[in-house]
Amino acid sequence: GESVGLHLPTLSVQEGDNSIINCAYSNSASDYFIWYKQESGKGPQFIIDIRSNMDKRQGQRVTVLLNKTVKHLSLQIAATQPGDSAVYFCAETYNTDKLIFGTGTRLQVFP
Amino acid sequence: SAVISQKPSRDICQRGTSLTIQCQVDSQVTMMFWYRQQPGQSLTLIATANQGSEATYESGFVIDKFPISRPNLTFSTLTVSNMSPEDSSIYLCSVHRDYEQYFGPGTRLTVT
Repeated sequence: GESVGLHLPTLSVQEGDNSIINCAYSNSASDYFIWYKQESGKGPQFIIDIRSNMDKRQGQRVTVLLNKTVKHLSLQIAATQPGDSAVYFCAETYNTDKLIFGTGTRLQVFP
Repeated sequence: SAVISQKPSRDICQRGTSLTIQCQVDSQVTMMFWYRQQPGQSLTLIATANQGSEATYESGFVIDKFPISRPNLTFSTLTVSNMSPEDSSIYLCSVHRDYEQYFGPGTRLTVT
């Protein structure tokens, strides 16, 4: 069957390199942003979030950057591993519960 | 965290028929959300389901096509009615808990 991410933009990186996945969001009033990882056959899984009063937030091997001026969000993954291969979605919200998802990027990690 | 299960995990249905998808959460939640993910696409919110009231549908989705039930705080169903091939998608339920949104594994529907 057709997998998630078949028609999505693809980023190919070598194992060990850093990955940067970009997202343009739509609503200047959005105040909370989330990155999700979706592996084939599974639902999206929370990676990291950031609120609009911040411009950077770091987690374990991941960093999210927010540029409200140009409505741009990025996800940086350090030392990318094969297990990072998945489709990544950004999501925005302006009322806490209802999420609006971006188009998604497929990350392929090769040895 | 929240543990969410969906039934069925996948199905192949004939056009004109209906399919009801079940979503079960491991503990009580106020709101449950239903999303659609068309092949190779992102997720689109169909509706928000509150217990004890009618679901709230997003633009482009109507109750006659996607009736939703929410009989209690841990369970919801989404029915895809009078299916056509354009309804072939992954349907996911989701809940909000502890400032995070959790998703079920999805139901992969193929309409022939």
